[in-house]
Amino acid sequence: SQQGEEDPQALSIQEGENATMNCSYKTSINNLQWYRQNSGRGLVHLILIRSNEREKHSGRLRVTLDTSKKSSSLLITASRAADTASYFCATESTGGFKTIFGAGTRLFVKA
Amino acid sequence: KAGVTQTPRYLIKTRGQQVTLSCSPISGHRSVSWYQQTPGQGLQFLFEYFSETQRNKGNFPGRFSGRQFSNSRSEMNVSTLELGDSALYLCASSLRIINSYNEQFFGPGTRLTVL
Repeated sequence: SQQGEEDPQALSIQEGENATMNCSYKTSINNLQWYRQNSGRGLVHLILIRSNEREKHSGRLRVTLDTSKKSSSLLITASRAADTASYFCATESTGGFKTIFGAGTRLFVKA
Repeated sequence: KAGVTQTPRYLIKTRGQQVTLSCSPISGHRSVSWYQQTPGQGLQFLFEYFSETQRNKGNFPGRFSGRQFSNSRSEMNVSTLELGDSALYLCASSLRIINSYNEQFFGPGTRLTVL
């Protein structure tokens, strides 16, 4: 079974609005990452947060991690049409060298 | 620096056949991971290789195998293909130094269709 589960499964917003996606996982992790995928192509790494970090920023992205609740959230501020894509959280367990992906959130940003 | 390349990009096979997919990592990356992506199961980890050694594997039947060569290029093989093996197969490379996470860079994938 997959480690990460995300919600919502799909999200539709207007350009300029913020988008929030949530991810939950099941076991202890070394780190949690977020990736973006456009139309069935390869994934692009967005941001990584380590298990001892609580919040991280990168440009318009803000990621939080709550290890006590085994959950993370990705916030995209001031969204653009180009942000339309599927977003996946992925965890690397403490055993290492095995990345488990969530089911993903499909984000659609309307211009 | 060239990105991760995967060949072929598209492949059509029939049930019972076997297939070999290839992945060339970014120069200097010694870790290569393989993933299967389907609409029903999402992205699933197949295996990870580092310096020609498989360090971890996912829950796939023995029909799925892989290897890594001394130049870090990797291949995965699927024998006795089934309809359910139709998927996008993604390869990712990373520096993956032991006990340290490094960002994974993904290739464009190989779209396999089994008829």
